Amino acid sequence: AQTVTQSQPEMSVQEAETVTLSCTYDTSESDYYLFWYKQPPSRQMILVIRQEAYKQQNATENRFSVNFQKAAKSFSLKISDSQLGDAAMYFCAWMNSGGSNYKLTFGKGTLLTVNP
Amino acid sequence: DAGVTQSPTHLIKTRGQQVTLRCSPKSGHDTVSWYQQALGQGPQFIFQYYEEEERQRGNFPDRFSGHQFPNYSSELNVNALLLGDSALYLCASSLEQGRETQYFGPGTRLLVL
Repeated sequence: AQTVTQSQPEMSVQEAETVTLSCTYDTSESDYYLFWYKQPPSRQMILVIRQEAYKQQNATENRFSVNFQKAAKSFSLKISDSQLGDAAMYFCAWMNSGGSNYKLTFGKGTLLTVNP
Repeated sequence: DAGVTQSPTHLIKTRGQQVTLRCSPKSGHDTVSWYQQALGQGPQFIFQYYEEEERQRGNFPDRFSGHQFPNYSSELNVNALLLGDSALYLCASSLEQGRETQYFGPGTRLLVL
């Protein structure tokens, strides 16, 4: 069974600084997607960034970028120029891209605090 | 463009009761997935509906059932509620073509007493 592990229950960062959230996963599949979702106190899960496993280039969305290391099964999220609005729970998630699998498998999350 | 909506936002039930949660997908989306998020945990996949049929199911008992209507909206039903069913229930919608991108609703907070 696929598992997603987020080893940092909590992280904090100063406003305008950079923070990296860690995620590792375990799978025997070769084709899959990886995601970072943000869940603020409003509870709405928001997609931050997505990575296809077959792409070697790391995905980037404005201040958010990932470091995808397929061999190491590692998928970290870097947030640059942190803003107060980035404070939230961040979840790493995995989905098989082939066959009849359609579900997201989530980690337990990392709570990010942004200090002014 | 309306996003995913869920109702109700909060719900309190007692053990043994039954509950129905509702979800309207994002405009144009035809696939609905349901997730259970216990306090302090990541969401767990319950099941997914497409073309009014359950297409995939997670590790949840038969007390959890669902339905998808012709307009793609969906219901999650839970029978014989247990205290452990207390959680945030999230609905996510997607397109069959492009199912990897799931858009979540704000969730329904269920408390079982």
